Amino acid sequence: GAGVSQTPSNKVTEKGKYVELRCDPISGHTALYWYRQSLGQGPEFLIYFQGTGAADDSGLPNDRFFAVRPEGSVSTLKIQRTERGDSAVYLCASSLGAYQETQYFGPGTRLLVL
Amino acid sequence: SQQGEEDPQALSIQEGENATMNCSYKTSINNLQWYRQNSGRGLVHLILIRSNEREKHSGRLRVTLDTSKKSSSLLITASRAADTASYFCATDSGGGADGLTFGKGTHLIIQP
Repeated sequence: GAGVSQTPSNKVTEKGKYVELRCDPISGHTALYWYRQSLGQGPEFLIYFQGTGAADDSGLPNDRFFAVRPEGSVSTLKIQRTERGDSAVYLCASSLGAYQETQYFGPGTRLLVL
Repeated sequence: SQQGEEDPQALSIQEGENATMNCSYKTSINNLQWYRQNSGRGLVHLILIRSNEREKHSGRLRVTLDTSKKSSSLLITASRAADTASYFCATDSGGGADGLTFGKGTHLIIQP
């Protein structure tokens, strides 16, 4: 079946703008994760959803970042008033359930803030 | 913050040789996983080893875990050009119900 998909693949925006990044998890996966990866670094955890609710948002760097998953499948990561330091690859992953450890990653969205 | 530290940061070997990468972490874990990443995009899950396991095999991959030293190693035998990628270890401290904590990765180059 289809894997995790993310759109757009690339996003270029100007400082101060608002952006939305979308993630379509694997069908039937109830757990969804967002990570951010800067150049030369490993991914850093941002937020975890179990179903529709954000079970852990401790990784969100500040209140400019927000994520939703209203129907328990597709998720949108929203970044307000973007800053140049937000430039990174944003990765989404899903897993079968809360205690299914293997996470399946999407190809990521490369965000560049000018 | 990143928990794991992979060693070496970069490794270049000849095709057919074995490649060994190490990972150290700081806090107690439920399991440790290795992922591969090509060209800075999506990660591919390779293998998971639980905290009560010491060694695990999957095809040409062999993973060891030493919880007393808080370290793990990934061995790729008979390397191929297609193994060229970045390899990350990731730890799970919360029974799966939380995010993974990744290291900075080892960039592996297989010379044909």
